[in-house]
Amino acid sequence: DAGVIQSPRHEVTEMGQEVTLRCKPISGHDYLFWYRQTMMRGLELLIYFNNNVPIDDSGMPEDRFSAKMPNASFSTLKIQPSEPRDSAVYFCASSPWTSGSDTQYFGPGTRLTVL
Amino acid sequence: QQQVKQSPQSLIVQKGGISIINCAYENTAFDYFPWYQQFPGKGPALLIAIRPDVSEKKEGRFTISFNKSAKQFSLHIMDSQPGDSATYFCAASKAETSGSRLTFGEGTQLTVNP
Repeated sequence: DAGVIQSPRHEVTEMGQEVTLRCKPISGHDYLFWYRQTMMRGLELLIYFNNNVPIDDSGMPEDRFSAKMPNASFSTLKIQPSEPRDSAVYFCASSPWTSGSDTQYFGPGTRLTVL
Repeated sequence: QQQVKQSPQSLIVQKGGISIINCAYENTAFDYFPWYQQFPGKGPALLIAIRPDVSEKKEGRFTISFNKSAKQFSLHIMDSQPGDSATYFCAASKAETSGSRLTFGEGTQLTVNP
């Protein structure tokens, strides 16, 4: 398996622009998670899905952030409009959550820089 | 009550030494305690995990010690190597009601000097 795939790997944009981050989870995994990592705040859970349904979006910082999972093999995290404080590494992770396995498998991340 | 506190923030160890990272949690409902390892430019990856029915789990040079009454768990890296230099995150979850949602600690940056 190729693992969790994220694109793009790096994104540089200007304040006010729309940014869309993409994730392809590992096939067969029921759970998908979006995280944000910064030096100041560490690893923060933004939102997670179970079987394509958003379960908890309490970590989404504000209405500028939205996430969708239209099918089992694709999810997007959108920031509109983007701000410099959104600069971070965004990770997508998926998990099979079969009995006895709670492992989350992380993608390589998207490094976002908002100028 | 969902927090997981991790210490130290950074750790420098000589090659061959023992690295120890500690975590404390508040939610007594947590029943799964993994450690993740993250190298620069990569996503975190599961290193080792423990459930509260045992007090210790060892995999190679990596050991988790778990103290349920104190609500603490720690990662011990024996014979630390320069290749172990990475950021380590402890985490906790209650799988039954939250799927595999993890609450992560703040992270510890480990440097192993040659």
